[in-house]
Amino acid sequence: AQSVTQLDSQVPVFEEAPVELRCNYSSSVSVYLFWYVQYPNQGLQLLLKYLSGSTLVESINGFEAEFNKSQTSFHLRKPSVHISDTAEYFCAVSRNNAGNMLTFGGGTRLMVKP
Amino acid sequence: DGGITQSPKYLFRKEGQNVTLSCEQNLNHDAMYWYRQDPGQGLRLIYYSQIVNDFQKGDIAEGYSVSREKKESFPLTVTSAQKNPTAFYLCASSVGTLPNYGYTFGSGTRLTVV
Repeated sequence: AQSVTQLDSQVPVFEEAPVELRCNYSSSVSVYLFWYVQYPNQGLQLLLKYLSGSTLVESINGFEAEFNKSQTSFHLRKPSVHISDTAEYFCAVSRNNAGNMLTFGGGTRLMVKP
Repeated sequence: DGGITQSPKYLFRKEGQNVTLSCEQNLNHDAMYWYRQDPGQGLRLIYYSQIVNDFQKGDIAEGYSVSREKKESFPLTVTSAQKNPTAFYLCASSVGTLPNYGYTFGSGTRLTVV
């Protein structure tokens, strides 16, 4: 069965600094990978996804993630964060043998400070 | 606009009561899901349904029940058998059952036992 580990529960960072949110997964089969963002008291919104092809995927608000098969990782990065990026971020992996089933990591709270 | 509507946003339950959380979508999605979110534990799957009149238990189904009588609706009942129901509940849907589809989430219901 797949599992997802987000190594950092909280990441404090100053505004305009770069950030990396780490995600590692375990799976014996090919996977699809996702990053979701959750603002306080709201549902999750899809940030970006890796399905196939280029291992570097980008979102419209400056985030990017790189699929690394050998390290089974899908880390999320942004070169310069804004206060508005403060949120919780979830990494997820598909359960290929059970249709469109996603397994989520425990989440990383990104706290951007002025 | 299409989306998922969860209601109510906040719900208070007395000990021993059953309560039902509503989830409605107008996206024409086939699959629907219920997740429970607790601080630091990420999202845990309660139930899912990939087609009308059919649903499956997720990882933490004990103390919960669902129905899927209509494609648009997937209500979740938290029964008195659920010993620790205080949590944030998220409903999601997806286009189909292939693993490359992401989820669309509702804005959640926060349930508190009083």
